[in-house]
Amino acid sequence: KAGVTQTPRYLIKTRGQQVTLSCSPISGHRSVSWYQQTPGQGLQFLFEYFSETQRNKGNFPGRFSGRQFSNSRSEMNVSTLELGDSALYLCASSRRDSGIQYFGAGTRLSVL
Amino acid sequence: ILNVEQSPQSLHVQEGDSTNFTCSFPSSNFYALHWYRWETAKSPEALFVMTLNGDEKKKGRISATLNTKEGYSYLYIKGSQPEDSATYLCAFTRMDSSYKLIFGSGTRLLVRP
Repeated sequence: KAGVTQTPRYLIKTRGQQVTLSCSPISGHRSVSWYQQTPGQGLQFLFEYFSETQRNKGNFPGRFSGRQFSNSRSEMNVSTLELGDSALYLCASSRRDSGIQYFGAGTRLSVL
Repeated sequence: ILNVEQSPQSLHVQEGDSTNFTCSFPSSNFYALHWYRWETAKSPEALFVMTLNGDEKKKGRISATLNTKEGYSYLYIKGSQPEDSATYLCAFTRMDSSYKLIFGSGTRLLVRP
């Protein structure tokens, strides 16, 4: 069974640009969550999608958005990039709310 | 406690030593406690999910306990091996958002051969 796949693995952008990251969950998993890790910070919850609906959003500005498709694949978008958006972005999928969340390898975004 | 706190921040042990880490979390509105192992350049790997007060889980040389009334969990590694070197993360979830993991900053373990 394939794991959680995130693309691309690495990305370099400049300030002001926008970026889209992709996450393909494990087959059969309908919940996809996104997390951000910046240097010195723990993993911070961005948002979670279930059946194409965003159920919760973390404390991030409106420049961070996401969506989920009918096949459960998810994308997150960051517009008007700032230097502080440089981080590792992880997505995780799970079969049900209380279950184990399986993480992808992440996308490392560098904003110059 | 308002957030998840993990201690120690880092730990260096010799191969064969046993070690343990602590995770403290808010005890109100508790739903589940998760432990993950995160090796450099890899995905975080789930170790345990615990929900009930007094829960104990074991996986090989690694075990964990949970006290939801006082809001803490311990992770034990018996006979540490160099391959156990990783960052160990705990995260809890609340009743009203059981899919949202709230992470601690982790304990970085280095096992010297």
